[in-house]
Amino acid sequence: KNEVEQSPQNLTAQEGEFITINCSYSVGISALHWLQQHPGGGIVSLFMLSSGKKKHGRLIATINIQEKHSSLHITASHPRDSAVYICAAYPNFGNEKLTFGTGTRLTIIP
Amino acid sequence: NAGVTQTPKFRILKIGQSMTLQCTQDMNHNYMYWYRQDPGMGLKLIYYSVGAGITDKGEVPNGYNVSRSTTEDFPLRLELAAPSQTSVYFCASRDRYYEQYFGPGTRLTVT
Repeated sequence: KNEVEQSPQNLTAQEGEFITINCSYSVGISALHWLQQHPGGGIVSLFMLSSGKKKHGRLIATINIQEKHSSLHITASHPRDSAVYICAAYPNFGNEKLTFGTGTRLTIIP
Repeated sequence: NAGVTQTPKFRILKIGQSMTLQCTQDMNHNYMYWYRQDPGMGLKLIYYSVGAGITDKGEVPNGYNVSRSTTEDFPLRLELAAPSQTSVYFCASRDRYYEQYFGPGTRLTVT
């Protein structure tokens, strides 16, 4: 079982819908990353979280350390949000390296 | 700031050839990483470095070597290229708040 689990694996939604991607982890962590990768493209850091909530434009990320859970929300989704979203965490032990989730492939239909 | 830069962007190698993938960052980050991403798959850590002169293996180090003589540069060496090393290679650096910054990637094909 992967230490970092994401759901859903695939998500298709209509433009304008509110999107939620979930990430749960089984070990104590120092910090958690949300990354975005467009098809054939590079990898962009969206958020780095160790507690609470962060917001950039239409994107919101939350983390609940006690429940070992993080969510990425996209409001007013747009076709350009279509990408793979990756959750990755630094374990408390061996925290030089990220443990990656399997990714969520999001497709937004116009 | 250029951030993390990688060269080349694309490369085709014949089986048995060697090459070095270059990675440079101008953010004075101590931590640097090399990942590979096979088609349709996630990122796998090849090697990482916590500072100049210090490197360590990741999940998939076989067939690769690294060095870190300066804070800025973290080259990845492929010796005796094999078709299994066909992949996209990403270099990243990490700031003191744990955030990783990725380079644009090198797409390598070994035939």
